[in-house]
Amino acid sequence: EDKVVQSPLSLVVHEGDTVTLNCSYEVTNFRSLLWYKQEKKAPTFLFMLTSSGIEKKSGRLSSILDKKELSSILNITATQTGDSAIYLCAVEGGTYKYIFGTGTRLKVLA
Amino acid sequence: DAGVIQSPRHEVTEMGQEVTLRCKPISGHNSLFWYRQTMMRGLELLIYFNNNVPIDDSGMPEDRFSAKMPNASFSTLKIQPSEPRDSAVYFCASSLYGENTEAFFGQGTRLTVV
Repeated sequence: EDKVVQSPLSLVVHEGDTVTLNCSYEVTNFRSLLWYKQEKKAPTFLFMLTSSGIEKKSGRLSSILDKKELSSILNITATQTGDSAIYLCAVEGGTYKYIFGTGTRLKVLA
Repeated sequence: DAGVIQSPRHEVTEMGQEVTLRCKPISGHNSLFWYRQTMMRGLELLIYFNNNVPIDDSGMPEDRFSAKMPNASFSTLKIQPSEPRDSAVYFCASSLYGENTEAFFGQGTRLTVV
């Protein structure tokens, strides 16, 4: 059964800190790993990763996939209060469905 | 495009009543997913459709839950009878099947069963 595990479950940091969120997975016929940010409503898409070792970046956020270790990390540098959210990791496998982890709840204090 | 549209946004109902949640996917998307989100279990996949056909309903918790997709632009998730433990946020998402793209989410329906 496809499975996604995220750590830590929650995290409290101060503005300006750098955080690293982890995602590990088990999936049959891996196709992609996705990161989403969820504030009060719907999850919004951040990154899709399909190849190992290639970093995706968007501003202060970056992510990389390690297919050998079946894992991915999401880094946020110089955190701001607006980064406070739940960060969700999902994998798409051979069944073409998206399986999500339970998420990491990040709170950034001013 | 207006994105994935769900209705209602909030629903409060009494235990035992029937509840119907509605979803309009993004035009042109051929995969549709229903998820349930709770604090304890996170975002759980209930069922997904490809080209209006249910492909995997292994996440549907009980026979009280049913989902339909009569055409490419509309899907429903029905709970009958509803129970307090069904209280959660229900999300609908759509995507392009097999294209290695992301799923787009609707704003969700917050269901409270009292």
